[in-house]
Amino acid sequence: EVQLVEFGGGLVKPGGSLRLSCAASGFTFSDAWMTWVRQSPGKGLEWVGRIKGKTDGGTTDYAAPVKGRFTISRDDSKNTLFLQMDSLKTEDTAVYYCTTEGRGYSYSYSYWGQGALVTVSS
Amino acid sequence: DIQMTQSPSSLSASVGDRVTITCRASHGINNYLAWFQQKSGKAPKSLIYTASSLLSGVPSRFSGSGSGTDFTLTINSLQPEDFATYYCLQYHSYPLTFGGGTKVEIK
Repeated sequence: EVQLVEFGGGLVKPGGSLRLSCAASGFTFSDAWMTWVRQSPGKGLEWVGRIKGKTDGGTTDYAAPVKGRFTISRDDSKNTLFLQMDSLKTEDTAVYYCTTEGRGYSYSYSYWGQGALVTVSS
Repeated sequence: DIQMTQSPSSLSASVGDRVTITCRASHGINNYLAWFQQKSGKAPKSLIYTASSLLSGVPSRFSGSGSGTDFTLTINSLQPEDFATYYCLQYHSYPLTFGGGTKVEIK
C-alpha cells in the first residue's frame, strides 16, 4: 500500500523556522519527483516546489513567494522528503501536502499525503 | 508565470445532471493539464492528466478535453459523492499553477 505521511507541522512565530517531513512507502521513492503543495485556510491550492529524483539530478524548483526561504531536500535511504521553511511569514499559514505523480509528472501514479498544518502567528 | 482561470467558481447541480467546468491558460500549455477533486477536509485526489487521460480507478463519468489554452472537465450523471471542489493544474512550465477552483454544490 502506498503511503505519504507528513510530520512536523505546528505553531511558529513570524521569522521562525520549521521543518516538515514526508515519509513515503509503497513505491520506488528514489525515482519519484516529489512536490509540496499548500492550501491556506479557506483558499485554493498553491504549488510550493518540487525536487527531481536522483536519476534526474535531484534538482529543485520553487514558487516565487517561497524562493530563498524554503528548501526542499530528500533522503532516499530513508524514503523521506523534507521541506525546510525559514523566515516564516503569517501568509505561510497553510496545510502543506507532499505529493508525487511519478517521474517527470508522468502521472504513472498519483499520491498525496494527508497534509500537515503550519500556523505562523505571534 | 502561466495564469489559470477556472470557471465558474461555484455551481449548483442535482444528482444526474451533467456538469462542465472550464479552465483557460494565459499561454499555450499543449495538453499538460491535470484535474483534481477535493472534498472538505481531505487531501486532493487526482482525476485526469494530459487533459483527457483518466487515472486508474476514476469513474468513467469523468472526462476531460482541450489543448493549448482551453480545457474542460465534464462530469456526466453527477453522483452524490461528486459534490466537491475541483481544481485544474498546468504542468507545462514552472512554476506550476492551479486554477482557483470550482465548488460543486447540491441544488
